[in-house]
Amino acid sequence: QQQVKQSPQSLIVQKGGISIINCAYENTAFDYFPWYQQFPGKGPALLIAIRPDVSEKKEGRFTISFNKSAKQFSLHIMDSQPGDSATYFCAASSQAGTALIFGKGTTLSVSS
Amino acid sequence: GAGVSQSPSNKVTEKGKDVELRCDPISGHTALYWYRQSLGQGLEFLIYFQGNSAPDKSGLPSDRFSAERTGGSVSTLTIQRTQQEDSAVYLCASSLVGTGNTGELFFGEGSRLTVL
Repeated sequence: QQQVKQSPQSLIVQKGGISIINCAYENTAFDYFPWYQQFPGKGPALLIAIRPDVSEKKEGRFTISFNKSAKQFSLHIMDSQPGDSATYFCAASSQAGTALIFGKGTTLSVSS
Repeated sequence: GAGVSQSPSNKVTEKGKDVELRCDPISGHTALYWYRQSLGQGLEFLIYFQGNSAPDKSGLPSDRFSAERTGGSVSTLTIQRTQQEDSAVYLCASSLVGTGNTGELFFGEGSRLTVL
């Protein structure tokens, strides 16, 4: 049972464009929603995270938008750069102590 | 090193053999996780250790998989009677606190397992 559904599977964006990756979750107990970034040959690293008490969080060019009623959240990368080319994973967990559950990932390619 | 260390980085084995994968977490991190990454399957949760609590084994795919964590530090993931479908990158991560407190996970670079 996939608890976090991520789309698209792959994404090609021109340099300077906006990259948008979407995730949907099923478990209403989830209350922590991070995004991880992974470069080839490396382990994933935390990029940005949000809790459901806010609808948006911005850090530099990266923004998470959160819609609690729809059980959806998304990552927006503004002014996308070739260095942003990586695989992005959304994830979710709960204060109750469930393990962090990841989506299947989105491979982003930013063309120069 | 200050990061999560995994060994071996690459392992090629024959079907039916047993393999052991090792993880050295960041010193002082109480929580340790194992994930499996296969092409197109994202990061699949396998097992989670938090302090002295009983591990969450709910993600282990079969009884051929087991893991232990000795002394609250080093962890070993063991796969018995390996099958070709076990081929994947096995990632270990550690955190200062359990995921229930939403601690950041720090990942190692993984152990790539190939079963021939």
